[in-house]
Amino acid sequence: DAGVTQSPTHLIKTRGQHVTLRCSPISGHKSVSWYQQVLGQGPQFIFQYYEKEERGRGNFPDRFSARQFPNYSSELNVNALLLGDSALYLCASSRLVITNEKLFFGSGTQLSVL
Amino acid sequence: KQEVTQIPAALSVPEGENLVLNCSFTDSAIYNLQWFRQDPGKGLTSLLLIQSSQREQTSGRLNASLDKSSGRSTLYIAASQPGDSATYLCAVSTSGSRLTFGEGTQLTVNP
Repeated sequence: DAGVTQSPTHLIKTRGQHVTLRCSPISGHKSVSWYQQVLGQGPQFIFQYYEKEERGRGNFPDRFSARQFPNYSSELNVNALLLGDSALYLCASSRLVITNEKLFFGSGTQLSVL
Repeated sequence: KQEVTQIPAALSVPEGENLVLNCSFTDSAIYNLQWFRQDPGKGLTSLLLIQSSQREQTSGRLNASLDKSSGRSTLYIAASQPGDSATYLCAVSTSGSRLTFGEGTQLTVNP
């Protein structure tokens, strides 16, 4: 079975632009979470979606938004890009959203903002 | 606010050595603790998940312990190998699948 897939793998944008990152969860997984990992730091929670509804949001500005589709895939959108948005964006999926579910991570999208 | 700290930030050992990575968290009201491995520029691979009611979990050469009351966990790696070289991340769950991560320990195992 395929794991969590993310696209694109690498992306270069300039300040002020908009970006859309995509994630396909493992088959049968209904929950998708997004994390931002700045170089040298641990991942920071951005969003969690389950059954197309937002179930949690981290401390990120409104420039960050996401959605989940009927097939459980997800998009992360970032508007008005800043240099500080340069990071590895990780998507994780799980079957449910209960507390002891193991998360499975994709390989991430490396975003560089120039 | 939950904070997770990992010590040391970096560790270099000769092949074959047993080693311990440390993780501490400020709020003991956690549902579980997970250890992940991350290779450079890659995603995270889950190594071990310890539920809040458990004291330890083992997988092969890896053993993780949890002392929830003191806010500490350790990851023990036996007979280290060069292929173990990676960054090891500790994360705690306090709500649903939302994880709070430490900054990681970068491990280098020298042949």
